[in-house]
Amino acid sequence: QVTLKESGPALVKPTQTLTLTCTFSGFSLSASGMRVSWIRQPPGKALEWLAHVDWDDDKIYSTSLRTRLTISKDTSKNQVVLTMTNMDSVDTATYYCARETSSSEGYYYMDVWGKGTTVTVSS
Amino acid sequence: EIVLTQFPGSLSLSPGERATLSCRASHSVGSNYLAWFQQKPGQAPRLLIYGTSNRATGIPERISGSGSGRDFTLTISRLEPEDFAVYYCHQYGSSQRTFGQGTKVEIK
Repeated sequence: QVTLKESGPALVKPTQTLTLTCTFSGFSLSASGMRVSWIRQPPGKALEWLAHVDWDDDKIYSTSLRTRLTISKDTSKNQVVLTMTNMDSVDTATYYCARETSSSEGYYYMDVWGKGTTVTVSS
Repeated sequence: EIVLTQFPGSLSLSPGERATLSCRASHSVGSNYLAWFQQKPGQAPRLLIYGTSNRATGIPERISGSGSGRDFTLTISRLEPEDFAVYYCHQYGSSQRTFGQGTKVEIK
């Protein structure tokens, strides 16, 4: 059974750096065809994709947030870490991580999500 | 960036009725690269459809996806009580993944 769980601070102050950890089980991120993405959702708003890291350590970031994001993986711990610098109130959201699997045609899609962790940015 | 526009923004229907949700992309999306998610209050999104028309594991046959190019549709043939939720389309054909703004399916 594939599971993912997000963890991190519930409250951060403006200008601080947010560090979120996605701990997963049921798959290995060192296995070919695996990927983990981070997605966020401000209260009452739509989903926004942030970044992903592949099994071969290839990384892609949202263009609008590229300068503030860093994604990394620790395959020995089954974890993916996302850091976001210079936090602002507009970054208040629920942050999700999701497993992506590769189809036989070679494209990836998000098939299993964590329950999310809520982050509030306030002084 | 491919912008996805979903319409209508909300649907008010009764159980047993048919729901048709639309998603229009600003640029053509390969048919392999369009997914639909369902989200209920306080829950994470759940994958329903990937590759435009492939049901994810455990998704009932009353839920189906179709479309090509810029226009995609999610159809729920007969609404069950558990289908009342928000639905998002998502494209993963470009390196910059995007989601639609969602369609809320409400009980009439």
